[in-house]
Amino acid sequence: GEDVEQSLFLSVREGDSSVINCTYTDSSSTYLYWYKQEPGAGLQLLTYIFSNMDMKQDQRLTVLLNKKDKHLSLRIADTQTGDSAIYFCAERGGSQGNLIFGKGTKLSVKP
Amino acid sequence: GAGVSQSPSNKVTEKGKDVELRCDPISGHTALYWYRQSLGQGLEFLIYFQGNSAPDKSGLPSDRFSAERTGGSVSTLTIQRTQQEDSAVYLCASTNNFGEQYFGPGTRLTVT
Repeated sequence: GEDVEQSLFLSVREGDSSVINCTYTDSSSTYLYWYKQEPGAGLQLLTYIFSNMDMKQDQRLTVLLNKKDKHLSLRIADTQTGDSAIYFCAERGGSQGNLIFGKGTKLSVKP
Repeated sequence: GAGVSQSPSNKVTEKGKDVELRCDPISGHTALYWYRQSLGQGLEFLIYFQGNSAPDKSGLPSDRFSAERTGGSVSTLTIQRTQQEDSAVYLCASTNNFGEQYFGPGTRLTVT
């Protein structure tokens, strides 16, 4: 079945780059997403990438997609304490375009 | 512009009672989804509405769960005879024509 895997924790120092990795199983996924969730808050759409792209850059965020290996990554440049949150990778799979989420990666940024 | 809104933000109910959760999607978005977020299960898809078509209920965990969408806009998720395992955050999302799926703030349901 469809599955999305990501590591649970990542700790970086302020100013460093963060790289959050994700693997997925559905090769027919058309879109892949990154969401951010801060404590007690909802899911904020950060960025997404079409499956026919291999890279997308948006300010401090860079998404890399390796479709052959079904691997997606999110790089946050110059990580700030305000970037501390849980980051969810999701693929648009399902029969009706519902999102299938990973368990989330908790990013901790140390000053 | 206005995002997806949900009400109530918090709901505490006794086991066995029925609850209704409401979602107002972004105006113009034809697709609406309900998800559930719980500690043990992560984020799970529940139900999907597209325009006026019959909903895809494949994710609903039991027949105590139902949802409707009136006039292609507002949606209500109803849980009958609530159980403690229903405690979770219920999230609603709507999607535009570019595939961008936006989430509401959620309703935190606690069943005592």
